[in-house]
Amino acid sequence: EDQVTQSPEALRLQEGESSSLNCSYTVSGLRGLFWYRQDPGKGPEFLFTLYSAGEEKEKERLKATLTKKESFLHITAPKPEDSATYLCAVRTEYGNKLVFGAGTILRVKS
Amino acid sequence: DAGVIQSPRHEVTEMGQEVTLRCKPISGHNSLFWYRQTMMRGLELLIYFNNNVPIDDSGMPEDRFSAKMPNASFSTLKIQPSEPRDSAVYFCASSIKTGTEAFFGQGTRLTVV
Repeated sequence: EDQVTQSPEALRLQEGESSSLNCSYTVSGLRGLFWYRQDPGKGPEFLFTLYSAGEEKEKERLKATLTKKESFLHITAPKPEDSATYLCAVRTEYGNKLVFGAGTILRVKS
Repeated sequence: DAGVIQSPRHEVTEMGQEVTLRCKPISGHNSLFWYRQTMMRGLELLIYFNNNVPIDDSGMPEDRFSAKMPNASFSTLKIQPSEPRDSAVYFCASSIKTGTEAFFGQGTRLTVV
């Protein structure tokens, strides 16, 4: 069965304190790993897609990396506006289904 | 583009009533997805369409749930009869083609009392 596990469940950082969120997966035939950000009361907002091990994507203070078993979302010098739930999802070789992890709740304090 | 548009944003209904959720995908997108989000189970895919055709409805929890996509710009998710355990946030998402990222609407918060 395809599984996506995110850690930690929650993370509190001080403004400027860099850290990483983890997404580990067990799937049969990865066809893409997706990172989303979700703010309270809103739908998930697309951040990155990674397709192969070794690939990296960057956007402002965020950088996503991918290995054969996991992905990391690195947050450099975070600001309070980076506070949100970060969701990881995988698409497998079987159809168009996205399987989501439970998410990491990030809180950045000034 | 305005993005994926869902209506209503909030719905409160009594147990046993019929509920219809609506979605307008992004113009030009060929895939449409219905997700449900709860604290206990997170985001779950209910059903998805490619070119208006239902492809995978294995996530639809019961026969009380049904979804239609009569044309490329409109989809509905219907629950009949509704039950308190259906209370959740329902999201619609669309993607330009199979395998690409999906863009989500703002969701419909459903409360069944």
